[in-house]
Amino acid sequence: GEDVEQSLFLSVREGDSSVINCTYTDSSSTYLYWYKQEPGAGLQLLTYIFSNMDMKQDQRLTVLLNKKDKHLSLRIADTQTGDSAIYFCAETANYGGSQGNLIFGKGTKLSVKP
Amino acid sequence: DAGVTQSPTHLIKTRGQQVTLRCSPKSGHDTVSWYQQALGQGPQFIFQYYEEEERQRGNFPDRFSGHQFPNYSSELNVNALLLGDSALYLCASSFGDRGMGYGYTFGSGTRLTVV
Repeated sequence: GEDVEQSLFLSVREGDSSVINCTYTDSSSTYLYWYKQEPGAGLQLLTYIFSNMDMKQDQRLTVLLNKKDKHLSLRIADTQTGDSAIYFCAETANYGGSQGNLIFGKGTKLSVKP
Repeated sequence: DAGVTQSPTHLIKTRGQQVTLRCSPKSGHDTVSWYQQALGQGPQFIFQYYEEEERQRGNFPDRFSGHQFPNYSSELNVNALLLGDSALYLCASSFGDRGMGYGYTFGSGTRLTVV
């Protein structure tokens, strides 16, 4: 079945870069996503990458995709205290009755220290 | 422009009871998907409604059912509540029946506690 794995915690200093990593299992996933969840809030889509791309940059965010190793990463440049949140990696489900919906990892809690 | 609205925000129920959660999609969206997020876990897909029909379903028992109304709003019903049903229930709306992730807008969720 499909599975998404990511490390649970990451702590960085304000101003440093953060790199959150994720591995996924379904090589046929067409889109891969990064979502952010702040306490008491729903999920906010940060960025997504199409499976035929290697990299996508959007302001402070850089997404790298290694399709051969099924590895996705999110780099946040100049990390700020407001970036403290849980970050979820997700892939599209591609089988059975859930095609097109999302399979999420357990989330990486990013703590930014001033 | 209002985003996705979910009600109630918090709910406490007793084992064996039934619960109904509500979701109003973002303006212009016609598809509603429901996810369950247990504490410390990522969201898990429950089902999706489009054109008032359940179009897709995840690995959840029949105790979980839903409905979509002509105005695209949706309800999630859970019967015979178990302690393990305690979770944050997230509603996501999108346009079109496939709801690819880049088109999802998530609500803030309903926190259900079963005691």
